[in-house]
Amino acid sequence: GDSVTQMEGPVTLSEEAFLTINCTYTATGYPSLFWYVQYPGEGLQLLLKATKADDKGSNKGFEATYRKETTSFHLEKGSVQVSDSAVYFCALKSGGSQGNLIFGKGTKLSVKP
Amino acid sequence: KAGVTQTPRYLIKTRGQQVTLSCSPISGHRSVSWYQQTPGQGLQFLFEYFSETQRNKGNFPGRFSGRQFSNSRSEMNVSTLELGDSALYLCASSRDQTNTGELFFGEGSRLTVL
Repeated sequence: GDSVTQMEGPVTLSEEAFLTINCTYTATGYPSLFWYVQYPGEGLQLLLKATKADDKGSNKGFEATYRKETTSFHLEKGSVQVSDSAVYFCALKSGGSQGNLIFGKGTKLSVKP
Repeated sequence: KAGVTQTPRYLIKTRGQQVTLSCSPISGHRSVSWYQQTPGQGLQFLFEYFSETQRNKGNFPGRFSGRQFSNSRSEMNVSTLELGDSALYLCASSRDQTNTGELFFGEGSRLTVL
């Protein structure tokens, strides 16, 4: 079945450091790909998405490119802030209207001042 | 615009009991999905409702059930609770009929089973 694999956390960075969180997927067909973020004590929020190969999703300085050849959707940010501390989830959706989101296990990011 | 509201936020039950959780979606959203979040299994899909009909169902036992009302509010029920049902239950809503995967999540209901 479809699945998502994320790099294990936690990840600890200093403010202004470069961030990469790796995400790879297994899916039949051509899924849509997502990054969701969960700040402490809150529900998940959609961070960015891409719906087809070579699409780049971006939001709040974060970017991820849908790479079909490597089945990857790595999340990057050039300069992280303390406020970016959260848990990041990679997800995919296939199956049209009958499909549901399949999430990775999440990667906890802590940014130190 | 109010977000997705889940009640109760926290609850404690004992094994064998049953529990009902409630979710009010964002106004105008007709799709409601439920997910179970645990440290070990991560986020797992329970079910999705659209216009009072279950459109999709995850791989959970029949003790887990749900429904959606005409005003799009949804409830999920877990009967005969087990220790392993302790989790954060997240509700998410979406406006679209085509189920694009863009969901708005509530803060969750944290269930502890003793």
